[in-house]
Amino acid sequence: GNSVTQMEGPVTLSEEAFLTINCTYTATGYPSLFWYVQYPGEGLQLLLKATKADDKGSNKGFEATYRKETTSFHLEKGSVQVSDSAVYFCALNSGNTGKLIFGQGTTLQVKP
Amino acid sequence: NAGVTQTPKFRILKIGQSMTLQCTQDMNHNYMYWYRQDPGMGLKLIYYSVGAGITDKGEVPNGYNVSRSTTEDFPLRLELAAPSQTSVYFCASSYQGERNQPQHFGDGTRLSIL
Repeated sequence: GNSVTQMEGPVTLSEEAFLTINCTYTATGYPSLFWYVQYPGEGLQLLLKATKADDKGSNKGFEATYRKETTSFHLEKGSVQVSDSAVYFCALNSGNTGKLIFGQGTTLQVKP
Repeated sequence: NAGVTQTPKFRILKIGQSMTLQCTQDMNHNYMYWYRQDPGMGLKLIYYSVGAGITDKGEVPNGYNVSRSTTEDFPLRLELAAPSQTSVYFCASSYQGERNQPQHFGDGTRLSIL
């Protein structure tokens, strides 16, 4: 079945460090891939998405490229800020009912 | 812009009690979803609906019921609360079920069953 695997957290970085959060997936067909972010006490917000192979999603300085050959969708940011501290979820949607399959989430803590 | 609104935000129940978690959206979305979020486990789909009058089970439906009488509302009911249902519950909606459509989430209901 379909599944998403994220790197274990928590990830602790200093401000202005480079961020990578790994995400790999298993899916039939041609899924769409998403990164959601959850700030403390809030719901999930869409961060970026990619809908076909080699697409790059980007938003707020974050980027992720849909790599079909490695079944990956790693999240990157060149210089993190304290305000980026949150839980990040990778997810895929491969069907026609909109159902999302989520990874377990990766907690990011950025220290000043 | 209200988006997806969930009530209540917090609730403590005793074992065996029942309650309804409310969810309403004002974006005229056809598709709505209920997830539960357990620590370190990501989100699991409980039930979903593709339109008024149509609901279907997700990955973890046992112990829950839903109804969808209007486009806007999608309540989730717990009939006999059990400690295993302690979790954070999220409601979400999307305009269509196509694979490239993102979902919009509410702020969640934190439920404890003691």
